[in-house]
Amino acid sequence: DAKTTQPNSMESNEEEPVHLPCNHSTISGTDYIHWYRQLPSQGPEYVIHGLTSNVNNRMASLAIAEDRKSSTLILHRATLRDAAVYYCILRDGAGGTSYGKLTFGQGTILTVHP
Amino acid sequence: GAGVSQSPSNKVTEKGKDVELRCDPISGHTALYWYRQSLGQGLEFLIYFQGNSAPDKSGLPSDRFSAERTGGSVSTLTIQRTQQEDSAVYLCASSYMGHPNTEAFFGQGTRLTVV
Repeated sequence: DAKTTQPNSMESNEEEPVHLPCNHSTISGTDYIHWYRQLPSQGPEYVIHGLTSNVNNRMASLAIAEDRKSSTLILHRATLRDAAVYYCILRDGAGGTSYGKLTFGQGTILTVHP
Repeated sequence: GAGVSQSPSNKVTEKGKDVELRCDPISGHTALYWYRQSLGQGLEFLIYFQGNSAPDKSGLPSDRFSAERTGGSVSTLTIQRTQQEDSAVYLCASSYMGHPNTEAFFGQGTRLTVV
């Protein structure tokens, strides 16, 4: 499984933008970049995903580098409810036994200060 | 139901007993995943189902762990002769066809405590 590297922790102030980086230098052409977050005592929840182009949804934006070796999750205005562990995951699209598999790393712990 | 349902939400069992954990995926989702999360740790992949077959069982920690899925829907994770190190939150997720261009939905998990 292709690996991702994220900072262990980041801090932000409420109502400020947050940029969460992720490196995935061994990404293959068929890997989709997914972001999930896990709030305390809850199961992970989907945030956003993309393949090559930047993506926007109601929760966040995903900026993907042109060479796809890195990506950034952007929360435009952090709230206290955004405090969570954020996971950047490569989801295999090539087929075989790893097709569609989600392999979680340690993620980034985001702390949001009032 | 609207989401992935797991039961029980909490289970306390004595060391050496067998336990069964259940996952009800979203209707129509053919892909189903089991994960384990120990206290303060990340998610550890256990097993993946596509329909009723399990193309990837690579994460099952020992032969005490097994899982099955019948009718392409409900899945049961069974842990035999439980040990204290099995204590963790067991999470289930499902997605449509397992296609990487779709999102996966997680249940709230079963917190297993082995005493």
